[in-house]
Amino acid sequence: AQKITQTQPGMFVQEKEAVTLDCTYDTSDQSYGLFWYKQPSSGEMIFLIYQGSYDEQNATEGRYSLNFQKARKSANLVISASQLGDSAMYFCAMRDESGGSNYKLTFGKGTLLTVNP
Amino acid sequence: NAGVTQTPKFQVLKTGQSMTLQCAQDMNHNSMYWYRQDPGMGLRLIYYSASEGTTDKGEVPNGYNVSRLNKREFSLRLESAAPSQTSVYFCASSGTFRQPQHFGDGTRLSIL
Repeated sequence: AQKITQTQPGMFVQEKEAVTLDCTYDTSDQSYGLFWYKQPSSGEMIFLIYQGSYDEQNATEGRYSLNFQKARKSANLVISASQLGDSAMYFCAMRDESGGSNYKLTFGKGTLLTVNP
Repeated sequence: NAGVTQTPKFQVLKTGQSMTLQCAQDMNHNSMYWYRQDPGMGLRLIYYSASEGTTDKGEVPNGYNVSRLNKREFSLRLESAAPSQTSVYFCASSGTFRQPQHFGDGTRLSIL
């Protein structure tokens, strides 16, 4: 069974500063994928970034980067140069990628990020 | 670019009523999913369909049924709605390996 833990219910950051959102996971799968999604107050789920368990380098997408530490089973999201529009709920998720065609996600409970001007 | 389309966006039901939530995707994805989101709980998988013609239970399937009508459409049915099913429901689809799931905008369902 897979489990995602996000220990920060809420985080505050000043505009233009960097912030790290924590995510730890537990799985017995040999191959897996880690995802971060953003959910603004309007409610939609927006895909941000993906990290495969066998990827040698940490994933980056614009101002988002994923600090992947496999031995510690952590996949923290780093947002650089925070903007007011980054205020949202952020979810970490994972799925088994060992084989087959089922790509269902297991989600954490989320972290509410507030960016202050 | 429609992506994943869910209908309706909002619905209020009385206890015991039935309804079907509709979901359609235009990305030619094989896999489709239904999640529910409750405050403080993240998203939990209700049912999924790995490919056309197959469906399987997720983490919280009780009280729901699904139909994979064709490759594009995956519906979720509440046969006898209960207040505990008040939630926001998301449909999602995904392609193959390493591709993210794409979500619809959600259906906010209230059961009185």
